[in-house]
Formats: sequence, structure tokens, C-alpha cells
Amino acid sequence: QSALTQPASVSGSPGQSITISCTGTSSDVGGYDSVSWYQQHPDKAPKLMIYGVSNRPSGVSNRFSGTKSGNTASLTISGLQAEDEADYYCNSFTSISTWVFGGGTKLTVL
Amino acid sequence: QVQLQESGPGLVKPSETLSLTCTVSGGSISGYYWSWIRQPPGKGLEWIGFIHYSGTTNYNPSLKSRVTMSVDTSKNQFSLNLNSVTAADTAVYYCARYLTVSGYSYGLDYWGQGTLVTVSS
Repeated sequence: QSALTQPASVSGSPGQSITISCTGTSSDVGGYDSVSWYQQHPDKAPKLMIYGVSNRPSGVSNRFSGTKSGNTASLTISGLQAEDEADYYCNSFTSISTWVFGGGTKLTVL
Repeated sequence: QVQLQESGPGLVKPSETLSLTCTVSGGSISGYYWSWIRQPPGKGLEWIGFIHYSGTTNYNPSLKSRVTMSVDTSKNQFSLNLNSVTAADTAVYYCARYLTVSGYSYGLDYWGQGTLVTVSS
């Protein structure tokens, strides 16, 4: 299975909004509502930020939102803050009942 | 609060078997799917596989020939065995729990802190 495609890096200034894309196929992202997003700070375990395409776990800021269109899922962070600087990964269920991660996106807050 | 803790050797010799255990506390292993994920130094996350508390498993096709997962509900633990390791298997290994809603899994909501396993002679 091939990794989902994410941009290697994105950046934004405090207060701005950014969007990270995650492109797969109809056999993963496009075929299931099981896309999730993770935030990972250096030397820390990943943290679930979005599950089921657009749902936020309890305790996650409403500045984080998720959507999906066709084979591409997206994570939007609004009102960017310095603490949002981290690596972000998408993850999707697949047609062969496995899961696959995206390659990861490094978010820099300018 | 559910907590997960990985344990096992931090150094494994090439061609040998990497064995890790994840101990779940603060909740039951029953009723959930559980996963192993790894991250080579400086690289991205790689899904290794999942195991259901009933013992059902599925693995990453690229690792399937070398991976075995098992579960011990009496100890609230699940385990990973990866055989014939090489330097390419050097990584931080995480265990995690699937968030399950109405029987469907939607993401990994609880993670262990991760354990670095180095493959070297």
C-alpha cells in the first residue's frame, strides 16, 4: 500500500489559517469516512486531533477542523498559534482492512 | 484515564526477532482494536498492524511476512514480534488504541510514549 500524499511543509503567521491536504485513492481516503489527523511535537507521541473525517475529540481546540472531498482530505487550522508548530499526519482505513499514514507535513508558524 | 506502556529490549541484533509488549492500564483491553505503529528516526509514521481483543489481526502488507501480534486479555497486554530484523527496522515503536464508535474504528485515541528499538550488532 502506498502512503497518502501530504505536502512536506506549510507555513503561516500567527492568527492566519492554513490547510494541509491528504490525497489518497478511492480505495482509502475516498472510500471510507475513517480519516484521522495527528499532531506530533518533537520527541512526543502523536495526538489525535480529528477522527472520522471531521470530528474533534474532547479537549481539542475548535480551531482544528477536517473535511473531505473525493479522494482528498484536509485539515484546517484557524487562528494559528505558536503552539501549533508541529508535524501533522493523516491516516485512513483501506479497502484491504489495513490503515495507511500520510508522509507527514511540517507546520511552521512564522 | 487509559494509559499504554511499551516494554522490551532497546537493542536487537540483525536477523533476530524484535519483541515488544504493550500494557494497558486504566481500562480494559476488551472491546477494542489495538495497533502498533513505528517511526524511524527523522521520518514519518508507519502503520504496522492491528489486533482485536478477540485475536483477529491484520498487518501492513510490506511487513506481513515478518510480523505476528498476540493479545493476553488476562494481563491486559498485547504484543508485537517482528522477525529477521535489519537496520531498517530501527525506529520508535508505539502502541495505540483505536477509538471505536458503534463498532467502527475511526482513529487512534490513546498512545504509548514510544520505545526506541535499535537494530545493531
